[in-house]
Amino acid sequence: GAGVSQSPSNKVTEKGKDVELRCDPISGHTALYWYRQSLGQGLEFLIYFQGNSAPDKSGLPSDRFSAERTGGSVSTLTIQRTQQEDSAVYLCASSLGVGRGLGFFGQGTRLTVV
Amino acid sequence: GESVGLHLPTLSVQEGDNSIINCAYSNSASDYFIWYKQESGKGPQFIIDIRSNMDKRQGQRVTVLLNKTVKHLSLQIAATQPGDSAVYFCAETSGGGGADGLTFGKGTHLIIQP
Repeated sequence: GAGVSQSPSNKVTEKGKDVELRCDPISGHTALYWYRQSLGQGLEFLIYFQGNSAPDKSGLPSDRFSAERTGGSVSTLTIQRTQQEDSAVYLCASSLGVGRGLGFFGQGTRLTVV
Repeated sequence: GESVGLHLPTLSVQEGDNSIINCAYSNSASDYFIWYKQESGKGPQFIIDIRSNMDKRQGQRVTVLLNKTVKHLSLQIAATQPGDSAVYFCAETSGGGGADGLTFGKGTHLIIQP
């Protein structure tokens, strides 16, 4: 596609439920990143995929968070047993790879846990 | 990464004036810096980047200055326009120019007054 696409745009879920957030990166981009942005805060790095390498999961806040990237393209971020503190905007970004800058973000998924 | 901070959470300027947004970073190993613009309801948008072997880089109406001695980064926007209203984030990485694990500041909200 023309840009990074995320779905859904908004998600309201009950505490304790699982949610899946989807990211479609720009075609041909080998690097894909997930960030979390809480209200009025900067971006918090979650996880990074580069090609077929093992992902860098160092930013995941707990074992309730996981992410997959299938076929080197679409990525899904899963949050199990959601908590209210998980409420945030989850941003996905893609790039051509390491050293190429991080220029393209999706519009984000606003997650609200009630 | 280590924290990256901004001096002012909000900056108000008159339309047509120049604006300067500042950022301080603490990781002396950081070698790649990016400025992003985030409009309400959208993901961050890449504005300009600079590597540590430079101290100045110019784009269209924007200039980034890097002072490695005092670990200070600034974004200058010339002749501000209403469309410049947004939150501006600086980000840094020490990943050898790669974008994995970018550390973001909390952002400065630039308000353009008519």
